[in-house]
Amino acid sequence: DQQVKQNSPSLSVQEGRISILNCDYTNSMFDYFLWYKKYPAEGPTFLISISSIKDKNEDGRFTVFLNKSAKHLSLHIVPSQPGDSAVYFCAASGGYGGSQGNLIFGKGTKLSVKP
Amino acid sequence: GAVVSQHPSWVICKSGTSVKIECRSLDFQATTMFWYRQFPKQSLMLMATSNEGSKATYEQGVEKDKFLINHASLTLSTLTVTSAHPEDSSFYICSAQGWGIQPQHFGDGTRLSIL
Repeated sequence: DQQVKQNSPSLSVQEGRISILNCDYTNSMFDYFLWYKKYPAEGPTFLISISSIKDKNEDGRFTVFLNKSAKHLSLHIVPSQPGDSAVYFCAASGGYGGSQGNLIFGKGTKLSVKP
Repeated sequence: GAVVSQHPSWVICKSGTSVKIECRSLDFQATTMFWYRQFPKQSLMLMATSNEGSKATYEQGVEKDKFLINHASLTLSTLTVTSAHPEDSSFYICSAQGWGIQPQHFGDGTRLSIL
C-alpha cells in the first residue's frame, strides 16, 4: 500500500506559467516532507523541504504548501522554465530527517515546460 | 555543496559475479547512508540504512547476505551484490545525510545489468 502518492504521472505547462505538483500521504506520523527533482541518468536533487510545524516554505521560484488535515502537499514553481522539465518526486519521513530519516517516495510526476 | 559521488555508474557482468558499488560524500560527513533500488516506472524503494561503524538495517524482504553493506567511514559506504543473478538487474542509488536535521543527498545511481 503506497504511503506517498503522486497521482499525476505527467504534467505539461507553458513557460512562464505556474506549475503545481501534488502529493498525498496516508501516514499521519510523517513529519518531514521533501521534493526532489530528477533528470534522466542522474540521481535526485534536493529542491525544498517542509516540516509539519509549518504550512508553507518558499525558496526562490519554489514554494511547498502543506495541508496536514488533508494529508496533502504541493510544490509550486513560478514562473516555470524549460530547464524545470524533469521528474519530481515527493518524499516523506517520520523522523524529522534525523536517524529515523528513512524516506518514503512517491512514484514521481514528469513535468514538461514548453517554450 | 552536499555532493555525493556513486561509482560505477553502469555495470554489465555475468551471472554469479559479485559487484561492489561505492558511495562517497565528497564535501560533508555522512552519519547515515541509505541504499535504494528503483525498478522501471516505480518509485525509489529503500533497501537498507547504514550508520558509520555499525551494522546496516535492512528493510523487510531485502536479503542481507545478498546485499552486503559496509559503512566504514563518515564519507564512504559500499554495497556489494553477491553472486548476482539477472533478477538483481536494477538501478541502485545511494544517499547520504549529515548531522542533525538534513535532507538526504543522492548519488547519480548505478545501472546494474546481469547477463
